[in-house]
Amino acid sequence: EAGVTQSPTHLIKTRGQQATLRCSPISGHTSVYWYQQALGLGLQFLLWYDEGEERNRGNFPPRFSGRQFPNYSSELNVNALELEDSALYLCASSLGEASNEKLFFGSGTQLSVL
Amino acid sequence: AQKITQTQPGMFVQEKEAVTLDCTYDTSDQSYGLFWYKQPSSGEMIFLIYQGSYDEQNATEGRYSLNFQKARKSANLVISASQLGDSAMYFCAMRDGANNLFFGTGTRLTVIP
Repeated sequence: EAGVTQSPTHLIKTRGQQATLRCSPISGHTSVYWYQQALGLGLQFLLWYDEGEERNRGNFPPRFSGRQFPNYSSELNVNALELEDSALYLCASSLGEASNEKLFFGSGTQLSVL
Repeated sequence: AQKITQTQPGMFVQEKEAVTLDCTYDTSDQSYGLFWYKQPSSGEMIFLIYQGSYDEQNATEGRYSLNFQKARKSANLVISASQLGDSAMYFCAMRDGANNLFFGTGTRLTVIP
């Protein structure tokens, strides 16, 4: 069974541009989560999608947005890129919302903003 | 307020020895879950072990065990018989009743041959 897949693996952009990151969850998982991991830091929660709806978002500006498609895959869009947006962006999926449901993570997209 | 605290930025352990990675958490929820993830240099977060707030027994998964002390709000990870492949970042995380998953800042473990 395929795990969580993310594309692209690496993305290089310049300040002011837009970036689109993609994520496919594990088959059967309806919840998708996005996290930002800046160099040397822990994971910061960005967005949670479930059944096509945005359920929660972290403390990030509105230029971070996304969506979830009917097949439960998801996109993360970052507009007006800034240098500090350079980070590893991790996508995760889970089967449900219960506190014992573990998240399965992809390998991430390394975004570099020059 | 920080939900998950990992006070050890880096740890060293001799191969084949045991090591404990510390984690304390903060929540007023009665029902919550505690997780440990391993992040090798490749970047992927690998699930290691889970402990539920109502579980009375400490969780174990192979060489990993979780030392759960509910009153002290601590959930330390114990790795026995360390291997070179255990060198990685380790993150403690807590999932609360509102489906928020909080991560600590991580501990970088280096296993010395």
